[in-house]
Amino acid sequence: SQQGEEDPQALSIQEGENATMNCSYKTSINNLQWYRQNSGRGLVHLILIRSNEREKHSGRLRVTLDTSKKSSSLLITASRAADTASYFCAVSPFQGAQKLVFGQGTRLTINP
Amino acid sequence: EAQVTQNPRYLITVTGKKLTVTCSQNMNHEYMSWYRQDPGLGLRQIYYSMNVEVTDKGDVPEGYKVSRKEKRNFPLILESPSPNQTSLYFCASSWDIREKLFFGSGTQLSVL
Repeated sequence: SQQGEEDPQALSIQEGENATMNCSYKTSINNLQWYRQNSGRGLVHLILIRSNEREKHSGRLRVTLDTSKKSSSLLITASRAADTASYFCAVSPFQGAQKLVFGQGTRLTINP
Repeated sequence: EAQVTQNPRYLITVTGKKLTVTCSQNMNHEYMSWYRQDPGLGLRQIYYSMNVEVTDKGDVPEGYKVSRKEKRNFPLILESPSPNQTSLYFCASSWDIREKLFFGSGTQLSVL
């Protein structure tokens, strides 16, 4: 499967702590993207990192990409209750079906 | 405001009764796609469209139809719904198949 696989499946931390989620994939990619989904709602794009990039920041989000290990991580710093959501990585394969393939997500719970 | 609009938000129907879920985007995107989301199975692509009159099957197309007569609209049709099509459905669009996706708010479908 080309899909991204997130780890852990679920994560529960205290407000103010940092949250780290990981994504592994199996094929060469054009880019890797992270999305957030609040319960039952549509996914919202957070950040896109291209295969020639190693790190990207957006506000409290930091994404890294290691193409040699075929893995990415999403770090949310100084977490807030509003960050409680599911987070998905999606890979755009370099070859084969030219479409985003989603992982199964990490369920993040921020405890006040 | 740039958005993808899906209707209805909730739908309860009975086996065999044809239904249509509408999807419209106002961003002049060429690429549109339908996904279903089921617990433990993640997001799976049903159909996608690269442009007007160009549609193709995704990973789980059985029991679904789509059409793309206009650039902005991409309806999902269930000609004879069955209980195994009970799911949360999302429409998404983008300017390119490999780039950031914009998602609708979702349609929760229950087939009795």
